[in-house]
Amino acid sequence: EDQVTQSPEALRLQEGESSSLNCSYTVSGLRGLFWYRQDPGKGPEFLFTLYSAGEEKEKERLKATLTKKESFLHITAPKPEDSATYLCAVQAGYSGGGADGLTFGKGTHLIIQP
Amino acid sequence: EPEVTQTPSHQVTQMGQEVILRCVPISNHLYFYWYRQILGQKVEFLVSFYNNEISEKSEIFDDQFSVERPDGSNFTLKIRSTKLEDSAMYFCASRTSTNEKLFFGSGTQLSVL
Repeated sequence: EDQVTQSPEALRLQEGESSSLNCSYTVSGLRGLFWYRQDPGKGPEFLFTLYSAGEEKEKERLKATLTKKESFLHITAPKPEDSATYLCAVQAGYSGGGADGLTFGKGTHLIIQP
Repeated sequence: EPEVTQTPSHQVTQMGQEVILRCVPISNHLYFYWYRQILGQKVEFLVSFYNNEISEKSEIFDDQFSVERPDGSNFTLKIRSTKLEDSAMYFCASRTSTNEKLFFGSGTQLSVL
């Protein structure tokens, strides 16, 4: 069974204080690892897709990295508007886990204080 | 940027009643999905739909659930006889191919009383 574990569950940072969010996964045949941002009462908003170990992607203050067992979302000099829940999801390469469906983690609730 | 549109944003129903949740996926997308999120829990995959048929479904998607693409633009999720535990935020999503990023709608909050 595919599993995604995110840590920490919640993180409070001061504006400008950099940190990293962790996503550990167990999946048979990773087709892709996805990072999404979710604001309260909204649908997940796509951030990144990573396909293979060693891959990195950046967007503004965010950088996502991938190894064979985990992914990190690095947040550099965050601003209050970066406050949200960050979700990690994996797409398996076999039908039992849902070749189409994504398996999500519970997310990390990030608060950036001014 | 194109959006996935869901209606209604909130739906309140009595236990045992049928509900239909509606979605308009992004126009050039071919793969359509329903996910749900119970308050405080993970986003969970329900079903995927391609070429006018279900391609994957989870254990959650039992005989009480059905999906339909009645025309070229709408994608619906029907729950035949709602239960209290069906209360959740239901998200529609779409994408161009199974390896591409998934676009989510803003969700329909379903409350079963």
